[in-house]
Amino acid sequence: EIVLTQSPGTLSLSPGERATLSCRASQSVSSSYLAWYQQKPGQAPRLLIYGASSRATGIPDRFSGSGSGTDFTLTISRLEPEDFAVYFCQQYGSSAIFTFGPGTKVDIK
Amino acid sequence: QVQLQESGPGLVKPSETLSLTCTVPGGSIRGYYWSWIRQTPGKGLEWIGYNFYSGSSNYNPSLKSRVTISVDTSTNQFSLRLNSVTAADTAVYYCARAIINYTKAVFDYWGQGTLVTVSS
Repeated sequence: EIVLTQSPGTLSLSPGERATLSCRASQSVSSSYLAWYQQKPGQAPRLLIYGASSRATGIPDRFSGSGSGTDFTLTISRLEPEDFAVYFCQQYGSSAIFTFGPGTKVDIK
Repeated sequence: QVQLQESGPGLVKPSETLSLTCTVPGGSIRGYYWSWIRQTPGKGLEWIGYNFYSGSSNYNPSLKSRVTISVDTSTNQFSLRLNSVTAADTAVYYCARAIINYTKAVFDYWGQGTLVTVSS
């Protein structure tokens, strides 16, 4: 089973700042099968990025994804007030199993 | 927009079976993988399994011996059964639609989640 690790655990930033979130896999992940989600309190996760770098429908272009192999990054270019949330990476890999990372919380500094 | 809706008991006794149903609106159940995911503060998001609308399924190895996910195309619903539950199965349970193809493997629509507590 591929294990995903996310860092940092918490990122404290101000609106307008740039956020860089990391997701590292214990084994190589196909870029096609790496996704990112945003979750706000009391809500279900929302798909942001699929295929490591493609934005899902309706996702603003301040969100971008990059990476390959075992290292992937989600970048929020300029934080808006509604972007303060928890972000999860997710992979689909060997044996057709999905796993999620533990999440990075982006909170207001 | 696909609005999934979970339903089922919020309280289950230890050793009994947890059963949840998810309704898929608008007859859109064909062509997708219908999934259950749970979330706890301690373990985070945990994929439970999926069932393709035609019946093929796959489960998380850690839960495989206790889980069944089934799809009913006549009612546009899919369901989760988790046997022999313990307190460790207390979680928010989400139903979700998965798309799996050569360009992506994602959960694009989710239910709002339902808290299931295992307690006597």
